[in-house]
Amino acid sequence: DAGITQSPRHKVTETGTPVTLRCHQTENHRYMYWYRQDPGHGLRLIHYSYGVKDTDKGEVSDGYSVSRSKTEDFLLTLESATSSQTSVYFCAISDPHEQFFGPGTRLTVL
Amino acid sequence: AQSVSQHNHHVILSEAASLELGCNYSYGGTVNLFWYVQYPGQHLQLLLKYFSGDPLVKGIKGFEAEFIKSKFSFNLRKPSVQWSDTAEYFCAEGNYGQNFVFGPGTRLSVLP
Repeated sequence: DAGITQSPRHKVTETGTPVTLRCHQTENHRYMYWYRQDPGHGLRLIHYSYGVKDTDKGEVSDGYSVSRSKTEDFLLTLESATSSQTSVYFCAISDPHEQFFGPGTRLTVL
Repeated sequence: AQSVSQHNHHVILSEAASLELGCNYSYGGTVNLFWYVQYPGQHLQLLLKYFSGDPLVKGIKGFEAEFIKSKFSFNLRKPSVQWSDTAEYFCAEGNYGQNFVFGPGTRLSVLP
């Protein structure tokens, strides 16, 4: 398995609270991604990063922000969580041949 | 915008049956295509990929896929499924350094 970890793995929070999810890689890859997975929608890209401090929006970026201050870490922040953000969140890294996925974070917003 | 569609939402087969899962992509340029599998409770893992060359691609666990450019298709096949193939399958297309676009997934249930 590619060296990708996500923390926390599970989180339950309340509407309106801020939440930060962390993705950590040991592969020194330039490209990192955050996806959310919801039934019937597959994976949808939230944000991605193409280098330290270089990020861009994906398909479903509203309500999310990201930061990448080091090559190995890519943080996803929900500034004020809503119930519609209940989902499974996957981080991925990319080499020229494929994307590698982390184990996922299951987030429940009550 | 690029898009990937998968024809089947849920496929139910008996063990030893043959499998074909449909995938169509929209991008008309040079395209890299992938099939990923997600076993229950796990993350996505690569089954196979097509970048160029032989349009019939062989992957892990006996899976294969055929790239048909004229039909914008990249269907996944397996001649004889096993119970352990029960999972969700995602078709995707993308290029290094760009967005990867995933289809909505097909859930495969294999009955013992």
